[in-house]
This record gives sequence, C-alpha cells and structure tokens, in this order.
Amino acid sequence: KQEVTQIPAALSVPEGENLVLNCSFTDSAIYNLQWFRQDPGKGLTSLLLIQSSQREQTSGRLNASLDKSSGRSTLYIAASQPGDSATYLCAVIKGGTASKLTFGTGTRLQVTL
Amino acid sequence: GAVVSQHPSWVICKSGTSVKIECRSLDFQATTMFWYRQFPKQSLMLMATSNEGSKATHEQGVEKDKFLINHASLTLSTLTVTSAHPEDSSFYICSASLWGGTDTQYFGPGTRLTVL
Repeated sequence: KQEVTQIPAALSVPEGENLVLNCSFTDSAIYNLQWFRQDPGKGLTSLLLIQSSQREQTSGRLNASLDKSSGRSTLYIAASQPGDSATYLCAVIKGGTASKLTFGTGTRLQVTL
Repeated sequence: GAVVSQHPSWVICKSGTSVKIECRSLDFQATTMFWYRQFPKQSLMLMATSNEGSKATHEQGVEKDKFLINHASLTLSTLTVTSAHPEDSSFYICSASLWGGTDTQYFGPGTRLTVL
C-alpha cells in the first residue's frame, strides 16, 4: 500500500526566504507526482505535475524535483511571499486504469511579513 | 477550462437526516469522478470512484450503503450521505477526469458538512 509522507508538517518563514518542502513515498512504481496548494476551507489548486520519466518541473518561483528511485520529491519556493501561505500537498498516482491519487499528509506554510 | 463545481459549499443538518452533494464538470465531459473526504488538519482520503453509467467503487472501509454515489451523466455526480451522524462531519471534495486512470483530475471547491 502506497504511503506518502510530507516533512515538515508545518513551517513558518519570513517573507523573502527560499524554502524547500519534502515529500516521500514508499512505492516507487509511480506514474506521476503532483504538488497542490490548498487554502483554508478551499479545494485544491494544482501547482506542478512531474511525469515519472522527468526529473523536475518549474513554474515561476516554484520548482519541483523527483527522484523516483529513492521515493522522494521536493518543492522549492523561491523568494517566498505572504500570499504563498497555504497547505501544500503532494500526491502520487500509479499506472493503470484503476489508478488513484494517494495524497501526502501536507505541509502548512506560513510566510510572515 | 476544466472547471468543477460543487453544491452546496456548506451544509448543516440534523443527525439522522440525509444530505446530497452535487459535483459538476462545467466545461468538459467527465467519464470518471472521484469523491474525497478530508478531516481537519488531515489529508484527502479517497472514498470512492465513479464511472458514468456504472456502479461506484468504494474504498475499503467506506460503506457503500451509507455513502451513495450516482454518476448518471458525464457532467454530474452526486454523493448522498445517508443517516448522517456527527462523525460524518467533514470536508468533502470531488474531482473529475476525462477518462479516469492516470488522467488529470480537476478538483471542486469542496463542501463543508456539519452534522449536529
């Protein structure tokens, strides 16, 4: 059974700092990995999707890397802003038509002024 | 594009009553829709997967007779929580994808259910 863990569970940084969020998964046979953002009481916003054959994806100040063999992914946020404050979730999906997303435990990020 | 809506956004009901939550794909046809539950400060847990025109597949530990799912059209799936109890209070989120499997899932904004 796939298990996805995110460290740290919570993080508070001052505005302008660069930060790294970690995601690890137990079964490396994944199809892709996604990073999502969730604001309090809201649904999910997809940030980045990395296919299993890729090593990283970038979007603006966000960069996600994937090391499938070691079961790890990182989300790097450059020059953090208060608007980045949210919970960040990673999720993996295995191949096959009966596949499903398995979500991590989440990291609650607060960027302070 | 790829917008998914949910209705209602929040609902409060009395214990023992049933509540229906709708999930709609607004600008695409979704062969597969997924229902997730999220308890406070916890991650999303998949409850069930529904394919248009067929019975939903509930995850282990999720009672199919308590959480009724209907996916009668390519743009609408409903989740009915029957005989709701306070422990069913949670945030319910749906997602929709064109063909299921590893296809991209587009998430709805969620429905907050509070059972008194």
